[in-house]
Amino acid sequence: DGGITQSPKYLFRKEGQNVTLSCEQNLNHDAMYWYRQDPGQGLRLIYYSQIVNDFQKGDIAEGYSVSREKKESFPLTVTSAQKNPTAFYLCASSPNRGWTEAFFGQGTRLTVV
Amino acid sequence: GQQVMQIPQYQHVQEGEDFTTYCNSSTTLSNIQWYKQRPGGHPVFLIQLVKSGEVKKQKRLTFQFGEAKKNSSLHITATQTTDVGTYFCAGLYNTNAGKSTFGDGTTLTVKP
Repeated sequence: DGGITQSPKYLFRKEGQNVTLSCEQNLNHDAMYWYRQDPGQGLRLIYYSQIVNDFQKGDIAEGYSVSREKKESFPLTVTSAQKNPTAFYLCASSPNRGWTEAFFGQGTRLTVV
Repeated sequence: GQQVMQIPQYQHVQEGEDFTTYCNSSTTLSNIQWYKQRPGGHPVFLIQLVKSGEVKKQKRLTFQFGEAKKNSSLHITATQTTDVGTYFCAGLYNTNAGKSTFGDGTTLTVKP
């Protein structure tokens, strides 16, 4: 089955700890994205990558870091510098750089206590 | 910065009534996409509009892109309980930028 996989679905962490969210796609898509969604709100772009070994900051990159060492993988690290990390995190991929149809993963709901 | 404004934020309808959500941008868009997110789920792509004045239909859903490519609408005829969810538009300003700007979404509830 082709698709985009995020794991885990639910994640709990203590305040002050870094945590890494996984995102893997087997669609052979060039572009990958990380979004944050808070209750009742839209999607805010954290980071995106249009090609391997390259990525750009989105609108709310502070307190987050990413890597794109492989085409199929785009992990997101939520660092202790992120002041309000509790949120629903969505990873997406798109076939090419020009933002055509985006495919979203199931999301990871992160709770920091 | 570039923003896509989406209205209304919430819409409650009786089953069988029509529903419309609107997206507006202050600057011209290259294209616009629409997504649906069911409660507890993830956004799912519905359609992409590229041409000025474009109208596309998917069964009871009608999507329009304005002549100036600054606004778009999604209209659902005779809503059903399966239509519940949040509908998002995502506008692309620059194809080289490789990222779209999402509206805040319209959450639709349908009373049977």
